[in-house]
Amino acid sequence: SHELTQSPSMSVSPGQTARITCSGAALPKQYAYWYQHKPGQAPVVVISKDNERPSGVPERYSGSTSGTIATLTISGVQAEDEADYYCQSTDSSGSFFVFGSGTKVSVL
Amino acid sequence: QEQVVESGGGLVKPGGSLTLSCAASGFTFRDRYMSWIRQAPGKGLELVSYISISGTYTKYADSVRGRFTVSRDNTKNILYLQMNSLGVEDTAIYFCARVDPEIRGHDFWGPGTLVTVAS
Repeated sequence: SHELTQSPSMSVSPGQTARITCSGAALPKQYAYWYQHKPGQAPVVVISKDNERPSGVPERYSGSTSGTIATLTISGVQAEDEADYYCQSTDSSGSFFVFGSGTKVSVL
Repeated sequence: QEQVVESGGGLVKPGGSLTLSCAASGFTFRDRYMSWIRQAPGKGLELVSYISISGTYTKYADSVRGRFTVSRDNTKNILYLQMNSLGVEDTAIYFCARVDPEIRGHDFWGPGTLVTVAS
């Protein structure tokens, strides 16, 4: 099986940079996706295929990978960025979608 | 505009059954894999199942294999999840999500439908 590890929570002040990491053994070979999830709403993809920002996602969101670590960076955090963020990839065979445990980002 | 909307959630007793539906619009449903993903109270996201464009290929989480069945009707643009032998551990919000063309992630989600299993 393929597990993705995220830290449970982080706090950041408005205007600062938030870096959320996701660790997984298959990440060097499989894409990482990042989803923003606010209570009562549909999750929204903010980064696809390691570092692609879908249309409509603010430019302050960026993604990168290095070895077994994928990172979601939010530059110049705003109050509206407060949410749970989940990474997602596939297992080493590419046949099953796996989610990280999620990181709750609180904007102070 | 692209949209997926889940329905069919509700309260069911342990051991009972329920069928969820996901109605798709605004895109060519028959061209995309689709997934069911759930979130139990206070927990993270978990893939439940996904299905190929024709419906011939399906995958299930170990926790639901043998109890849940995913299917689709490409003439009606509807995705289904038949859930049998439900347990309290199946209580969750169930999301329908569109798989991206590379079949590596999800590019669009519905708002979810709540399933509560309780006596």
